[in-house]
Amino acid sequence: SQKIEQNSEALNIQEGKTATLTCNYTNYSPAYLQWYRQDPGRGPVFLLLIRENEKEKRKERLKVTFDTTLKQSLFHITASQPADSATYLCALSNDYKLSFGAGTTVTVRA
Amino acid sequence: EAGVAQSPRYKIIEKRQSVAFWCNPISGHATLYWYQQILGQGPKLLIQFQNNGVVDDSQLPKDRFSAERLKGVDSTLKIQPAKLEDSAVYLCASSPGATDTQYFGPGTRLTVL
Repeated sequence: SQKIEQNSEALNIQEGKTATLTCNYTNYSPAYLQWYRQDPGRGPVFLLLIRENEKEKRKERLKVTFDTTLKQSLFHITASQPADSATYLCALSNDYKLSFGAGTTVTVRA
Repeated sequence: EAGVAQSPRYKIIEKRQSVAFWCNPISGHATLYWYQQILGQGPKLLIQFQNNGVVDDSQLPKDRFSAERLKGVDSTLKIQPAKLEDSAVYLCASSPGATDTQYFGPGTRLTVL
């Protein structure tokens, strides 16, 4: 069956450092992969989308890579700030349907 | 642009009671989704509407859950009767089309005692 795994441990980092989150998947061939941010008590908010034929995507301090051979996506937050503290979810799709991972909680210390 | 609206924000009920959630999507969005998010897990799709027709309800427990989208706009999700394991956040999302970015509402936190 399809499986999506994100960093099982929460990530605690110092302000200014780079946070790197991992999303691995099995038994899946997604056409694209999305990353969402979720704050406590709120719904997920879309951040970035990367397609299967793209290796890397950037948006401001965010960078996503997508390796369909390794079946893995990496999500980087550079020059992290306390405001980046949240749970980050990866979601995969090969049609209309999104399948989400459990998320990784990031805490950025000032 | 107004976001996706959901109500109520919180609901506490006893098991075997019934409950209903309401969602108003972003104006003009044809596709509407209901997700269930259990604590510590990612959202799981329950049902997807395209206008007022159901596209996918394969993960909806149809013996107790039902959903409708009247006139292709607002939607309600109902649980009857509720079980303890239904305790979760119920998220509504909408998108212009089925393969577009989804916009989520704040969710309804349901506690079943």
